[in-house]
Amino acid sequence: GQNIDQPTEMTATEGAIVQINCTYQTSGFNGLFWYQQHAGEAPTFLSYNVLDGLEEKGRFSSFLSRSKGYSYLLLKELQMKDSASYLCAVRVDMNRDDKIIFGKGTRLHILP
Amino acid sequence: KAGVTQTPRYLIKTRGQQVTLSCSPISGHRSVSWYQQTPGQGLQFLFEYFSETQRNKGNFPGRFSGRQFSNSRSEMNVSTLELGDSALYLCASSKTRNEQFFGPGTRLTVL
Repeated sequence: GQNIDQPTEMTATEGAIVQINCTYQTSGFNGLFWYQQHAGEAPTFLSYNVLDGLEEKGRFSSFLSRSKGYSYLLLKELQMKDSASYLCAVRVDMNRDDKIIFGKGTRLHILP
Repeated sequence: KAGVTQTPRYLIKTRGQQVTLSCSPISGHRSVSWYQQTPGQGLQFLFEYFSETQRNKGNFPGRFSGRQFSNSRSEMNVSTLELGDSALYLCASSKTRNEQFFGPGTRLTVL
């Protein structure tokens, strides 16, 4: 089956760095997304990785290791507005059945 | 550039009724995907439409159906509503396979 795991909740301090891990066991891996979702709002796209390595976008970076079925989202210089849920999602493509499977999300709390 | 729009934003129905939700994608985006989000299950894929054809389908019963029109606007329909169908229904549009932009969602409550 297809499975995506990420921690349920994390807490970090304003100005610090936090790493949110995501492991996946899927067939037909075809890319990994990270989304941010504030309470009561729709998810917003953060990053997409299809090749191994680190992609940096401002304060946010995303890493992928396809051989290990592992990704992380790194948030630097944390701000209060970063308090949100972070969703890891994998695109799988098997026998022309292409879909995106989401993890249950990691709720990140930022303390002042 | 306008984002993805969904109507209505909130809906209250009773068991046994049916409901139709609408999604207008970003201009130029031909792919529309639908998701159900609940606190217990998270975001779950319902189906994807591209050029008026259902391209992929998740593991939901046949009560959940959808369609896409020639202008890429999409609708999803849920018949014979059950209490467990209460959820946030999100639609997302994309132009390429490495991005997806979500609408604000329709909050459906089934009483």
